[in-house]
Formats: sequence, C-alpha cells, structure tokens
Amino acid sequence: AQTVTQSQPEMSVQEAETVTLSCTYDTSESDYYLFWYKQPPSRQMILVIRQEAYKQQNATENRFSVNFQKAAKSFSLKISDSQLGDAAMYFCAYRLNNDMRFGAGTRLTVKP
Amino acid sequence: DAGITQSPRHKVTETGTPVTLRCHQTENHRYMYWYRQDPGHGLRLIHYSYGVKDTDKGEVSDGYSVSRSKTEDFLLTLESATSSQTSVYFCAISEGLTGYYGYTFGSGTRLTVV
Repeated sequence: AQTVTQSQPEMSVQEAETVTLSCTYDTSESDYYLFWYKQPPSRQMILVIRQEAYKQQNATENRFSVNFQKAAKSFSLKISDSQLGDAAMYFCAYRLNNDMRFGAGTRLTVKP
Repeated sequence: DAGITQSPRHKVTETGTPVTLRCHQTENHRYMYWYRQDPGHGLRLIHYSYGVKDTDKGEVSDGYSVSRSKTEDFLLTLESATSSQTSVYFCAISEGLTGYYGYTFGSGTRLTVV
C-alpha cells in the first residue's frame, strides 16, 4: 500500500524568509500524481500545487515550488517570501486513480 | 468552494445513536469521497463513490456506510456512533480518475461523540 510520510510535525519561519517542508512516499507505481494541500484555521482544504510523476520539471505556483526527486520518492515544498497568511497545516498527498493518500501534516508557523 | 457543501458543520451526538452526514455538490462530478481527519493521521479514506449507487470501501470503512441515490448527494452514515468516531469529516469531489483533476473539498463536519 502506498504511504506518505511527513517527518516534520511543526515548522516555523520568519516572515519574508524561505521554508521547505519535507515529504516522502512509498509506491511501486511509475505514473501517479503528488499534491500539497494547505489547511488554514478555517479548516478548508486548499490545493497549493500539483506534480505529475512522469514530468521531470518541478512544478511552480508563484511563491510555491516543489523539489520532486522520483528515484528518491521525495516531494518537498518550498515557500519563498513567506507571508503571515501562509500559516497553516500543510498536507502532502499521493494519488493513483481512486486512491489519494495523505501524510500526517506539517503545522507551519510564520513569525512576524 | 461553493460547488460542494457539507451539512451539518458541527454535530454532537451520543454513543450508540445513528448519525448521517450529507455532502452535496453542484458540479456534476462523477467521483465523490468521504475522509476523516485525525491528529497524527492526516486524512484517511472511509468510502468513495464512482457513480449513482456505485460505492466502495476505503482504508477505514468499519462502522460506516454510504449511499448515493443522486449524482449530487453522497451520504455518510455512522450506524451506531462510538467515541472513536469523533473526528472531522471531509467530503471531496473529483471530475476524473487521474490526478490531473485533483480533489475539491467541502468545509468539513466536526463530529463529537459523547
């Protein structure tokens, strides 16, 4: 079974600095998708960024980018120029067809 | 997102009572999912549906049943609620099977079983 591991339960970053959240996963498949979701205190799950496994180029969405290392099964999220509004729980997720698996989450605190 | 709503937003119930949570979508998406969120576990799949009256079990389905009689509604029922089912429940929808489509989530239902 596919598993997703986020080894950092909590992280903190100074406003305007850069932070990287780690994620590793386990799979025997070659074609799948990876996601980062943000969950602010409102509880809403918000898609941050998506990566297709067959694409070598790392995905980027404004201040958010990923470092996708397929052979190492690693999918980290980099947040540049951190803002107070980035404070939230971040979940890494792996999807293969109808199976979307989530990590336990990393709580990000942004210090002013 | 306005295209998916969950009700109720909060609920407190007693052990042993049946509970039904509702997920309603206006996107006409084929795939619908129920997850539970617990500290230290992230989100775990309870049941999912791939069409009207077509459902299947997920990772943590024991004690839960689902029904989908219309494309827009996906109901999650706790047959006899237990304290271990205290959790936040999320419904999600997807237009397709591949990850290209991603999931859109409802705003969640916080269920407390006392």
